[in-house]
Amino acid sequence: NAGVTQTPKFQVLKTGQSMTLQCAQDMNHNSMYWYRQDPGMGLRLIYYSASEGTTDKGEVPNGYNVSRLNKREFSLRLESAAPSQTSVYFCASIPVGGGNTEAFFGQGTRLTVV
Amino acid sequence: AQSVTQLGSHVSVSEGALVLLRCNYSSSVPPYLFWYVQYPNQGLQLLLKYTSAATLVKGINGFEAEFKKSETSFHLTKPSAHMSDAAEYFCAVTGSGRDSSYKLIFGSGTRLLVRP
Repeated sequence: NAGVTQTPKFQVLKTGQSMTLQCAQDMNHNSMYWYRQDPGMGLRLIYYSASEGTTDKGEVPNGYNVSRLNKREFSLRLESAAPSQTSVYFCASIPVGGGNTEAFFGQGTRLTVV
Repeated sequence: AQSVTQLGSHVSVSEGALVLLRCNYSSSVPPYLFWYVQYPNQGLQLLLKYTSAATLVKGINGFEAEFKKSETSFHLTKPSAHMSDAAEYFCAVTGSGRDSSYKLIFGSGTRLLVRP
């Protein structure tokens, strides 16, 4: 099983450029999440989608947009990248909405904005 | 709103010594609590979870955690550290109420160093 797949794995952007981070899961999970990981700050929730057709802001949504394209795919878009968005981005999925179930993570996308 | 606080960004222990990683939570609803581990350049994987069935939870690789409601804590322990335990550990919380059950919130992480 592929689990949670993120693309690309690495990306370098210039300030002001846009890009979309892709995430797909093949486990038929309902809920999907986008996090950013920065040294000393743990994982901070950017956006999440409790189920297909719904999205909600997390802790640090500014500068990002998301699309829950279908049950499998949840993309994260940076419209105008800034150096402060340099980070490692993780996508995760959970079988049902939150609660006591385990989250499954992708391998991450390392993004550098210069 | 839920949150977790992990005390100590770095913890160093000798191989064979007790491991204690601290986590305190804040939640307005009964929480579900988790510990995840991250090895270098990898995603996170679940160590254990508290779901109200038992206050002492056993996980993989010999780790366990105890839920203490009176102290709002969920500390992670392992009796004897192994070199392979060196990693970053994250405590996480999600709520059981309808409005909070979908947000999975992580602490800032604790990096465990194991000395030979």
